[in-house]
This record gives sequence, C-alpha cells and structure tokens, in this order.
Amino acid sequence: AQSVTQLGSHVSVSEGALVLLRCNYSSSVPPYLFWYVQYPNQGLQLLLKYTTGATLVKGINGFEAEFKKSETSFHLTKPSAHMSDAAEYFCAVSEGYGNKLVFGAGTILRVKS
Amino acid sequence: DADVTQTPRNRITKTGKRIMLECSQTKGHDRMYWYRQDPGLGLRLIYYSFDVKDINKGEISDGYSVSRQAQAKFSLSLESAIPNQTALYFCATSGGPSGSNQPQHFGDGTRLSIL
Repeated sequence: AQSVTQLGSHVSVSEGALVLLRCNYSSSVPPYLFWYVQYPNQGLQLLLKYTTGATLVKGINGFEAEFKKSETSFHLTKPSAHMSDAAEYFCAVSEGYGNKLVFGAGTILRVKS
Repeated sequence: DADVTQTPRNRITKTGKRIMLECSQTKGHDRMYWYRQDPGLGLRLIYYSFDVKDINKGEISDGYSVSRQAQAKFSLSLESAIPNQTALYFCATSGGPSGSNQPQHFGDGTRLSIL
C-alpha cells in the first residue's frame, strides 16, 4: 500500500531564506508524485508533479522538487521564501490507476519578516 | 467562474440530520473524487467515480454515500450525521486516460460542522 510521510507539521523560515519541505513515500510500483499548496479558505492547487523522466521537477512560484528513488524522497524546495508562500503544503503519491491520490498529513509553512 | 464548484461552502447542522454536499464541474473530466480533510491527517479519500456508472469506495466510506447524477455532477451524502464527521470536504476531478497521472483539480471545499 502506498503511504506518504511529511516530516514536520510546521516549518518556519525567514523571508529570503531557503524553503525545504520534506516528503518520503512508499509505493510498490514506480510512483507518480505531486506537491499541492493550500491557501486559507481555498482548495488545493497543484505546484508540481513527477511522473517519469527528469528527476528534478520545476513548478509554479519558483518551487522545485527532486525525485530520489534510492531515498524514496520527493522534497520540495525554493531558494528564497516570500511572505506569499505562507500556506499548507501537501505531498501526494499515485500508483496510476484511476489517478487516486494518497496524501501526506501536510506541512504548514510560516514565513517571518 | 470556478471549474469545480462546491455547494454549500459552509454548513452547520445537528446530529442525526441528513446532509448533501454537491459538486459540479465544467472541465469535462470523467473522474471525480470526494475527500475529507482533518487537521494533522491530510486528505483522505471517501468515494471516487470513473464515470456515471462506476462508483467506488475509498479509504473512509463508512457513513457516507454518493450519487453521480451526470458526468459533471457528483454529490456526497451523510445519511445521519454525527459529530466526528465535522471536517472540511473537497471534491476533485481529473481527466485523460486512467493512469495518465493527470493532476486532480480541487474545488474550494465545504466546511461542515455537526453539533
């Protein structure tokens, strides 16, 4: 069965600092991986996805993530945090059929001025 | 206009009441999903539908039922609501061939409180 672990339910960074949100997964087949962001009172918005091919994936708003099969990880990074990045971030895995997603518990990112 | 619309956005009701949450989409997608979000638990799948005639239980379907009235409409019902069903509920859609890993598109959610 698939599962997703997000290390750290809350992460706090200063504006301009590196953002690193951690995601580890388990899957019995080659996974498809997603990062979503949720702003207050809104639904989830896709940041980026990995399916096949290049393991470094670039997304919207300057975010990127690297798929590391040997470490079963898909960590999300952004070189320089902005106040508008404050939100909750979810990592999710899909095994393909039906596009069903299994989500991690989420990480709330706080950006300090 | 939003591609995935959920109604109502907020609902407060009492234990034992029947409640229906509605979802409609203009994306033309075949697949639709219902999730609930609880703090610290992320999103968990309640039901999903691949087309009008294909409905499947998800991880936490007990206490819930669904109806796929048309390709564009997928409703979630709580037949007799209980307080631990208080949560934020999301509808999502996805298109393309199954297994193509097209991302899911989410509505803005329905915040449900059961007293």
